[in-house]
Amino acid sequence: GQQVMQIPQYQHVQEGEDFTTYCNSSTTLSNIQWYKQRPGGHPVFLIQLVKSGEVKKQKRLTFQFGEAKKNSSLHITATQTTDVGTYFCAGIRSGGSNYKLTFGKGTLLTVNP
Amino acid sequence: DAMVIQNPRYQVTQFGKPVTLSCSQTLNHNVMYWYQQKSSQAPKLLFHYYDKDFNNEADTPDNFQSRRPNTSFCFLDIRSPGLGDAAMYLCATSRGVVSYNEQFFGPGTRLTVL
Repeated sequence: GQQVMQIPQYQHVQEGEDFTTYCNSSTTLSNIQWYKQRPGGHPVFLIQLVKSGEVKKQKRLTFQFGEAKKNSSLHITATQTTDVGTYFCAGIRSGGSNYKLTFGKGTLLTVNP
Repeated sequence: DAMVIQNPRYQVTQFGKPVTLSCSQTLNHNVMYWYQQKSSQAPKLLFHYYDKDFNNEADTPDNFQSRRPNTSFCFLDIRSPGLGDAAMYLCATSRGVVSYNEQFFGPGTRLTVL
């Protein structure tokens, strides 16, 4: 079955440092979504990428979708303590159900003030 | 505000005692999902409904059942909870349309099995 790998599993940074998490799928994706889950909270949708090579920005967050639509990354510039949480990528398999996500294992980001 | 509501937020049950978790939505979304999430793990899809069409994941234990009596409500029934079923159970919804299939999660129900 489809697998979505995500690295690193944990990342601890000093406030102001940059952070990147990477996501890799075993199969081609029709789109990829990113979610953030604060400690004790529930996943919250951040963004969806659909096009090959797509890059989207949300303030300090930059999301990329690979040319082959099998990998993606989330980069946070100048982290803040409010960025703490687990970031999940979740893909929809190309040719599969349009509304069934396969989640990566997530990257837990902690920020030292 | 449109939202996904889960009740109860915390549920304690005894080993083997049936339990039902509920989810309601005011988003009028076509798809409703149930996920199980254990500590420091990704959400694991148990099943989902597209309208009344039920879709079970192949590795979801028979111990888990679901009902969706109408668009707004969905229930998760655990017939005989084991210690390994202790987890956060997340309900989510989506429109089920290709360009608009982001998922909206409820706050979750944390299940404890004694």
